[in-house]
Amino acid sequence: EVQLLESGGGLVQPGGSLRLSCAASGFTFSNYVMSWVRQAPGKGLEWVSAISTSGGSTYYADSVKGRFTISRDNSKNTLYLQMNSLRAEDTAVYYCATPPTAATVWGQGTLVPVSS
Amino acid sequence: DIQMTQSPSTLSASVGDRVTITCRASQSIGTWLAWYQQKPGKAPKLLIYKASGLESGVPSRFSGSGSGTEFTLTISSLQPDDFAIYYCQQYNSYPYTFGQGTKLEIK
Repeated sequence: EVQLLESGGGLVQPGGSLRLSCAASGFTFSNYVMSWVRQAPGKGLEWVSAISTSGGSTYYADSVKGRFTISRDNSKNTLYLQMNSLRAEDTAVYYCATPPTAATVWGQGTLVPVSS
Repeated sequence: DIQMTQSPSTLSASVGDRVTITCRASQSIGTWLAWYQQKPGKAPKLLIYKASGLESGVPSRFSGSGSGTEFTLTISSLQPDDFAIYYCQQYNSYPYTFGQGTKLEIK
């Protein structure tokens, strides 16, 4: 079964750090550009970051640039998002996803509340 | 960055209606546009890719059109399962950006 499974979410204090993981199965992970997309409670979708198939190129939204780092381990079929200097406005459900082409795959999301 | 603007923000319609949602890009994106449907508590579901490509398993009542800066998503005959929020997304250039969403409500 083609699947993406996020993990690592949870309550974190402002200024804290968290690393999200996204485990892929059922498809050739190393062939796909991967992205993170987030959704704050009651709000719309926000694209966060993307990484090339090799990991050599990374892209970020201005809102997270300098604080978040995307990476991947193709040997483990896993995507990561290291989130530092977290702010209340980073509170959201974080999804990992393949590109919007035929047979795209999205995970179920992991919630990251940032609060003291 | 490319800004994506959807209209309307809310649309009230009845089962059987034909509805159209518009998405405008602040600069040309060719046909690098996707449409998603999202229901409460669920991940977005891809409906249309590359402006008019129907994702596998998506009913044929959904269709997309457009190129450049103006795009539309049409549902030919609304079904009860179609009441949801719809988003467009450009993937012509980073940062990829989403429209603000269109909430399709039951009239």
